[in-house]
Amino acid sequence: DTAVSQTPKYLVTQMGNDKSIKCEQNLGHDTMYWYKQDSKKFLKIMFSYNNKELIINETVPNRFSPKSPDKAHLNLHINSLELGDSAVYFCASSRAPLGGTEQYFGPGTRLTVT
Amino acid sequence: ILNVEQSPQSLHVQEGDSTNFTCSFPSSNFYALHWYRWETAKSPEALFVMTLNGDEKKKGRISATLNTKEGYSYLYIKGSQPEDSATYLCAFIRGSGYSTLTFGKGTMLLVSP
Repeated sequence: DTAVSQTPKYLVTQMGNDKSIKCEQNLGHDTMYWYKQDSKKFLKIMFSYNNKELIINETVPNRFSPKSPDKAHLNLHINSLELGDSAVYFCASSRAPLGGTEQYFGPGTRLTVT
Repeated sequence: ILNVEQSPQSLHVQEGDSTNFTCSFPSSNFYALHWYRWETAKSPEALFVMTLNGDEKKKGRISATLNTKEGYSYLYIKGSQPEDSATYLCAFIRGSGYSTLTFGKGTMLLVSP
């Protein structure tokens, strides 16, 4: 059974479109995260939710909006996609917020904006 | 912007060699340090979560140490095997004020048979 799953795995879309990436974890964790892996393969945290409450909101364009309908899901919605949004986006979860416990990562979603 | 540095950037060793990498981070407002192993085309996988100065953790042939006062952690691999080939990431978690997590850029290890 997949612990942290993301859909879709690949997403190709045009500039200006709105798209969503879904993330689900079946580990019973309280905390979920979104990361962006940039062109230099660097992982940067974007958002974190703990028990459906936003606890980390890094400097990210407000075109990016996370939504957590319940503890097991954290979706990422992106409005008005730009070329620079092309990247691999990873979802992760952990039992407790931030540093106390290890994070489990999803397989990643490769977003290509043309 | 928090400075989390990893060195070396890449490393190529022969099977059986022992090796170590360094992660440097701010010595103030420390909360935790994580080590992750990231194989190509896969997702990062947690190795260690370290929270106390002087912590030493071990998992098989891999071990890590932590010095929060001087702001560094070492990851050691004893008797490297080809399956150890991966990028090793550290992540620094700041615990005071605005808490956040910052990954280093990783050390890419290649172990040749």
